[in-house]
Amino acid sequence: EIVLTQSPGTLSLSPGERATLSCRASQSVDTSYLAWYQQKPGQAPRLLIHGASSRATGIPDRFSGTGSGTDFTLTISRLEPEDFAVYYCQQYHSSPGTFGQGTKVEIK
Amino acid sequence: QLQLQESGPGLVKPSETLSLTCSVSGGSITSSDYYWAWIRQPPGKGLEWIGSVYYTGTSYYNPSLKRPVTVSEDTSKNQFSLTLSFVTAADTAVYYCARQVREFPHLGRLDFWGRGTLVTVSS
Repeated sequence: EIVLTQSPGTLSLSPGERATLSCRASQSVDTSYLAWYQQKPGQAPRLLIHGASSRATGIPDRFSGTGSGTDFTLTISRLEPEDFAVYYCQQYHSSPGTFGQGTKVEIK
Repeated sequence: QLQLQESGPGLVKPSETLSLTCSVSGGSITSSDYYWAWIRQPPGKGLEWIGSVYYTGTSYYNPSLKRPVTVSEDTSKNQFSLTLSFVTAADTAVYYCARQVREFPHLGRLDFWGRGTLVTVSS
């Protein structure tokens, strides 16, 4: 099973700042099979990025994904108030698909 | 607009079987482009994929569960279901159903989710 480790656990930033979230895999993941999700309190996760860098339908362009192999990054270029949430990476390169433990982006 | 809605008991006794149903509207579970998945999230914790079913009836499961689990479909009702046997307190979680894009040969990303339902395992 591929283990995904996200860092940092919590990111304290102000609106307008840039957020950089990391996801490291225990084995190489094909870039086609890495996704990022956003989850707000009491809500289901929402798909943001798939294929490591492709934005899902309706996702603003301030969200971008990069990376390959074992290191992947989600960047939010300028934080909006609605972006403060928990973010999860997921790999579906090998079964079982696994999620990272999450990074919480909180208001500083 | 695709919508998924979980339903089932909110309380299950230890050692019994958890059964949930996901009703799908605005799309057909017989589409060859998608799998239909169950994911869970214990309170305050992360996400765990449980299993998925394809319209052909083929199912895929997370081996870490290590006990009988079934994900099945009812195409006549446009629903799919989850059963998990011999539950313990560790199975207390919010259970989500979701649509999973078929990215052959892999199961794929989860692009639409239900709101989730909390299942508590307690006597």
